[in-house]
Amino acid sequence: DTAVSQTPKYLVTQMGNDKSIKCEQNLGHDTMYWYKQDSKKFLKIMFSYNNKELIINETVPNRFSPKSPDKAHLNLHINSLELGDSAVYFCASSDTTLRDGYTFGSGTRLTVV
Amino acid sequence: GEDVEQSLFLSVREGDSSVINCTYTDSSSTYLYWYKQEPGAGLQLLTYIFSNMDMKQDQRLTVLLNKKDKHLSLRIADTQTGDSAIYFCAERSNTGKLIFGQGTTLQVKP
Repeated sequence: DTAVSQTPKYLVTQMGNDKSIKCEQNLGHDTMYWYKQDSKKFLKIMFSYNNKELIINETVPNRFSPKSPDKAHLNLHINSLELGDSAVYFCASSDTTLRDGYTFGSGTRLTVV
Repeated sequence: GEDVEQSLFLSVREGDSSVINCTYTDSSSTYLYWYKQEPGAGLQLLTYIFSNMDMKQDQRLTVLLNKKDKHLSLRIADTQTGDSAIYFCAERSNTGKLIFGQGTTLQVKP
């Protein structure tokens, strides 16, 4: 059983398009995250939601909009895609204690051409 | 500020021990973590250590924590080719998020 699942796994799109990445977790966690991993493998947090409420919003262009319809889902919508948005985007979830850290999805590789 | 640093690359021979080092800045971190990322995959939690511990052992993995120097290390005994991956150190910040290091690529030569 997949704990944190993201779709799609690969996404190739043209500059200027709008795209969404979906994430779902079945662990009963109350907090979900989006991280961006660049070509040098550096991981940077973008957003965090706790029980559908936005709690972390790092310096991210407002073309990126997260949406959490319920605590098991956190989707990422990106408008007007740019070449620099090409990266691997990871969804993760955790419980409040963070004792077990995050559980990550397998990532979505976004390529903007 | 919050910062986690690791060396970028380590190469060892199969059967040797690997030691991956990490330094962090937030002295209030309660948990510190080691994650493993294999090519094309997400990050997998390997182990964590609570800040009131100095050492934690889990099979081939040994984590050492030096709080005074804010230094964390991961030792992998009897390193195998399947251990080749990127290893990330992370600390839990006082805002609740995890701050990751840049990752150490471990190359295991047969």
